[in-house]
Amino acid sequence: GAVVSQHPSWVICKSGTSVKIECRSLDFQATTMFWYRQFPKQSLMLMATSNEGSKATYEQGVEKDKFLINHASLTLSTLTVTSAHPEDSSFYICSAEEGQFFRSYEQYFGPGTRLTVT
Amino acid sequence: DAKTTQPTSMDCAEGRAANLPCNHSTISGNEYVYWYRQIHSQGPQYIIHGLKNNETNEMASLIITEDRKSSTLILPHATLRDTAVYYCIVKYGNKLVFGAGTILRVKS
Repeated sequence: GAVVSQHPSWVICKSGTSVKIECRSLDFQATTMFWYRQFPKQSLMLMATSNEGSKATYEQGVEKDKFLINHASLTLSTLTVTSAHPEDSSFYICSAEEGQFFRSYEQYFGPGTRLTVT
Repeated sequence: DAKTTQPTSMDCAEGRAANLPCNHSTISGNEYVYWYRQIHSQGPQYIIHGLKNNETNEMASLIITEDRKSSTLILPHATLRDTAVYYCIVKYGNKLVFGAGTILRVKS
């Protein structure tokens, strides 16, 4: 199956700093990528959808100025958590959609990035 | 979005078939049913998806009722490594909206 990577796999940062997380589709081109957040013992929550070359679409309640998403190429999307605070500590997961004409699309997920803000 | 209802947890003996049910009574005619699983602290793993016909791949089988209001994921010979949270999702547009899922515990 298709492979999606994330970097870093875990990061610890100080409150007030910014952190960038990368999501790459390694063996396919992803027109659309998605960012999710997961708190302990909870399900995944979709944060935003990004399409290559255009602005991301954020879900209701997600601050677009705080979670900056850039989808500069068909294989790379980045999520920057700006001015991070302890409540932003979470497991961030990206997914990429591999689309084939006349088929339903399958999303493949990265391994996740554990962010801890101290 | 079409919502799904799954049991909170299930146990299965190693080597036996695991049958995970899912209700999606409000599903629309062109919405697919997807199954993913998540092993602790990892990203979700795609298992299978279907529209109205039963589907089978190397991981599992998906049985969808004729009225499409429910489905069952079947892991034919469960192993300890199949212990995970299993999510049944009705895909809305290109969005996957995750519910609480079913915690499957495979026991030896």
